[in-house]
Parts: sequence; structure tokens; C-alpha cells
Amino acid sequence: RKEVEQDPGPFNVPEGATVAFNCTYSNSASQSFFWYRQDCRKEPKLLMSVYSSGNEDGRFTAQLNRASQYISLLIRDSKLSDSATYLCVTSTGRRALTFGSGTRLQVQP
Amino acid sequence: GAVVSQHPSRVICKSGTSVKIECRSLDFQATTMFWYRQFPKKSLMLMATSNEGSKATYEQGVEKDKFLINHASLTLSTLTVTSAHPEDSSFYICSPRSGTPGSNEQFFGPGTRLTVL
Repeated sequence: RKEVEQDPGPFNVPEGATVAFNCTYSNSASQSFFWYRQDCRKEPKLLMSVYSSGNEDGRFTAQLNRASQYISLLIRDSKLSDSATYLCVTSTGRRALTFGSGTRLQVQP
Repeated sequence: GAVVSQHPSRVICKSGTSVKIECRSLDFQATTMFWYRQFPKKSLMLMATSNEGSKATYEQGVEKDKFLINHASLTLSTLTVTSAHPEDSSFYICSPRSGTPGSNEQFFGPGTRLTVL
């Protein structure tokens, strides 16, 4: 079983739509949680950290449920530029980040 | 954010040759370096972790004699793929972590796309 599981998609949505991605993780020692964005043939880039209280950054809202070991990302008012692969990422602290395989989003005009 | 360079960005080589990939942290000191590889439509998989001046620790299934890692300074780490084969074709990404106390942030190089013919 993968340590971080994500629906690979693709999610094809029209501009302006709201889309949600989910992720589950199996390592209960995970302490930090993130969403990264990866464009084709590029390195991953930090989109936002995820906190238990939930956090929002503009059109992006992230939620963490430690009891269920579940992380979500909501994107409102999708833009064409949001098209990318979204990676769910966990960390136990001192060790390297653990990546999910990503959920591909394609926003269409 | 921190600046990390990786060279070369893309390399095509013949089977059996060795390829060296350099990763530099340009504006901070990386006490720890992680090397990942990513196959198409797959997640980034950690290959090894190295601390400056120490031998690298390899993940299960990664051959240390095939993927040589050198982390001789706080700003430079290299990964050498020895006797490369087509199955080694992948996207290799370095990820330095700052040695600043209290900082666990990982940065990422732009990656090296290796194609072995």
C-alpha cells in the first residue's frame, strides 16, 4: 500500500468551476502536510501547508483530518493556469517529504 | 524562496555510460540533501539522503554502487548514475534542506531528465 494515496484523475473542469482533491496517508507519525503543484516536466512547487484547523490562501482551501488521516484541497473559480498535477505530501519531521503520485487537473476554456 | 540549480537539465546517453548530475544550493547551506527520481505519471520516490561530509543513506531497492552520491560541501551535491541502462531513464530531482535551526523546509532543484538509449 502506498504511503500517500491520491486519485490520479484527470479532473477535467471548465473555467470558474470548483474542484476538490482528496488524499489519504497511512503513516500515523506524519506531522506536517502540504499540497505541492507540479507542472509538466518541472520540479514540484509548494502550494500551501495544511493545518488541522483548515487554512485558506485565496482561491485555495486545505483541510486536514488527523483522525481519518485524510487531507483535502479545494480550488474555487478555477483558472486555466491552475492546470497542473497536485501532489499531496507528508512529512514526519526529520525525514524527507513523502509524495503522493498526484492528481492531474485540466481546466478547460 | 531559495535558489537551487541542477545541471544538466537534460541528458541523453548511451547504455553503459555514466552520467553525473550536479546540484547546487546558491543562497543557503544545505546540510541535508535528498535525491528523488520520478518516472512518468508516478510520484517522486526518495532514492537517498545525504548529510554533508557523511555517506549517503539509500532507500530500499536503490543500489548504492549504481547511484553514487557525493555531498562534499554545504552547497554542492552530485549524483552519478554509473553504467546507465534504459530503465534508469527518469527525472532526477535534488532537494536540499537548510541547516538553519528550526527550519525543515525542503527546496527543489529544477530536475534532470535522463534518457538512456
